Amino acid sequence: QQQVKQSPQSLIVQKGGISIINCAYENTAFDYFPWYQQFPGKGPALLIAIRPDVSEKKEGRFTISFNKSAKQFSLHIMDSQPGDSATYFCAASGADNFNKFYFGSGTKLNVKP
Amino acid sequence: KAGVTQTPRYLIKTRGQQVTLSCSPISGHRSVSWYQQTPGQGLQFLFEYFSETQRNKGNFPGRFSGRQFSNSRSEMNVSTLELGDSALYLCASSLADRPNYGYTFGSGTRLTVV
Repeated sequence: QQQVKQSPQSLIVQKGGISIINCAYENTAFDYFPWYQQFPGKGPALLIAIRPDVSEKKEGRFTISFNKSAKQFSLHIMDSQPGDSATYFCAASGADNFNKFYFGSGTKLNVKP
Repeated sequence: KAGVTQTPRYLIKTRGQQVTLSCSPISGHRSVSWYQQTPGQGLQFLFEYFSETQRNKGNFPGRFSGRQFSNSRSEMNVSTLELGDSALYLCASSLADRPNYGYTFGSGTRLTVV
């Protein structure tokens, strides 16, 4: 059973546009939800993260929206740039096993110049 | 500050052989976790080591094992390699006593089984 479901699988956005990636989870014990960015040949790098006690977190052009009742969270990339072209993963972990992350399947983002 | 270092970067092994991968965590990080990344299954948790003890384990067969040394460096071993073990193996280190803080991945070891 996939613990974290991510969509879409791929996304094409024009430069300056908004990229939106969605994730849903089942386990209500999850209490930490990070987003990772991965470039080819590199490991995932932490982009931004949120905990269930807030509904939104913004860092620069990146915003996480969190809906606890729906068990969904999403990443918004404002003013998308070609340099944002990468694969994005959502993830979740719980308090009991806080270093054991369940990852979504990934979204390959292509920002067209 | 040096990041997480994984060696080697690339490996080619023959089916049936065994392989050992190494991970050196960020200085001061005492927890090391391992993941397998494949196009079909994505990122899957293998195990986590803290203070030389396995603290968490994923759903992988016993052919996958690991260990951690007193300096927090970790190794993972895969015995009796199968074609399906071809993957990018990633390790991540973190401050074990601060949940989710500083969880940093290395660039991985690309294992190809032929």
